[in-house]
Amino acid sequence: DAKTTQPPSMDCAEGRAANLPCNHSTISGNEYVYWYRQIHSQGPQYIIHGLKNNETNEMASLIITEDRKSSTLILPHATLRDTAVYYCIVTRDSGGSNYKLTFGKGTLLTVNP
Amino acid sequence: DAGVIQSPRHEVTEMGQEVTLRCKPISGHNSLFWYRQTMMRGLELLIYFNNNVPIDDSGMPEDRFSAKMPNASFSTLKIQPSEPRDSAVYFCASSGHGSLHFGNGTRLTVT
Repeated sequence: DAKTTQPPSMDCAEGRAANLPCNHSTISGNEYVYWYRQIHSQGPQYIIHGLKNNETNEMASLIITEDRKSSTLILPHATLRDTAVYYCIVTRDSGGSNYKLTFGKGTLLTVNP
Repeated sequence: DAGVIQSPRHEVTEMGQEVTLRCKPISGHNSLFWYRQTMMRGLELLIYFNNNVPIDDSGMPEDRFSAKMPNASFSTLKIQPSEPRDSAVYFCASSGHGSLHFGNGTRLTVT
């Protein structure tokens, strides 16, 4: 699976958009970009994933560049409860089971009041 | 849906003792995963089951670790004998045909 690079930490003001970048320059054509987050003392939580097109759900938006070498997770209106470590993961989605999820160190997003 | 249920939430034991961690996956999910998280190594995949069968156990650190899934609604991770370096948070996750759903983990401390 392709390796990802994320900034170790970011700050965001409450109510503002949080834009979390991820670099995956070695991504292959059949690899998906997944985002998970981990709030303190909890298990990781799925946020969103995509292959080529931009994706949006009730939690966030995922913007993938045309060359697919980088992506940005957008939390449109960050709240204090969004403070967490955000993981960007690239993996082949084999048979609908993304079992080879390799978690890096992620980005610690701190939302400030 | 209650989500993935792990027990106990916290376990403190002495070196050399046997430790058993338990997991109940989400009903209907056919894949189950055990992860371990430490500050030094982050989240590591230990073993993965599909339809109750172990598929990939390459992440299991050594023979002291074993995992079973006797049926679709229950799995155990056993450490025998336990050592201080096994201290970590152990997560169980399950999946149907999409994303992984994690439990809230078991924090294991081996003294």
